[in-house]
Amino acid sequence: EVQLVESGGGLVKPGGSLRLSCAASGFTFSSYSMNWVRQAPGKGLEWVSSISSSSSYIYYADSVKGRFTISRDNAKNSLYLQMNSLRAEDTAVYYCARDPGGQIPAASDYWGQGTLVTVSS
Amino acid sequence: SYVLTQPPSVSVAPGKTARITCGGNNIGSKSVHWYQQKPGQAPVLVIYYDSDRPSGIPERFSGSNSGNTATLTISRVEAGDEADYYCQVWDSSSDLWVFGGGTKLTVL
Repeated sequence: EVQLVESGGGLVKPGGSLRLSCAASGFTFSSYSMNWVRQAPGKGLEWVSSISSSSSYIYYADSVKGRFTISRDNAKNSLYLQMNSLRAEDTAVYYCARDPGGQIPAASDYWGQGTLVTVSS
Repeated sequence: SYVLTQPPSVSVAPGKTARITCGGNNIGSKSVHWYQQKPGQAPVLVIYYDSDRPSGIPERFSGSNSGNTATLTISRVEAGDEADYYCQVWDSSSDLWVFGGGTKLTVL
């Protein structure tokens, strides 16, 4: 059974940093691209970042470029999102999602349950 | 940047057919994916590559894509289909994923 479990969310002050993790199991993690997608309270889905299976291709939304860094450790079946210079508008539930795509992201076929990040003073 | 436009809400009676549109400039040239999200839950992929259905998704869910509009069609709507639905495309000109604003499906 495919499982994706996010962790690392919490309350952080504006300008602060946070590192999200996503533990994957039930599939060959190293064969899949992965995505981070967020959802602000009461709002729609917003794509954040994508990384290909071997980390050769990495993409960011304009809203987080230069502040967030996506990475993965295939040996640990884990995906990460390092978030720096956090702003109030980064407050959201952050989902990790599996993506069968390669250089070009495809659809996200499995999603975790999300972790809440709150940026507030 | 590429913009996807969805109606904020669609209402349909049980047993009828719901059509949720996703508009975008020449969207027919892109691959469209659709997600269903129920309150408090993670999104679920219901249609990928315009019209393919993942395993476990009922045949009542179908998709089409042509011109400037992609459409998610739900036949014989059930109360359990009530949810938010989002369309998504990969914009290769900017290397960005784009989501539509979402459509709330209400089953009357």
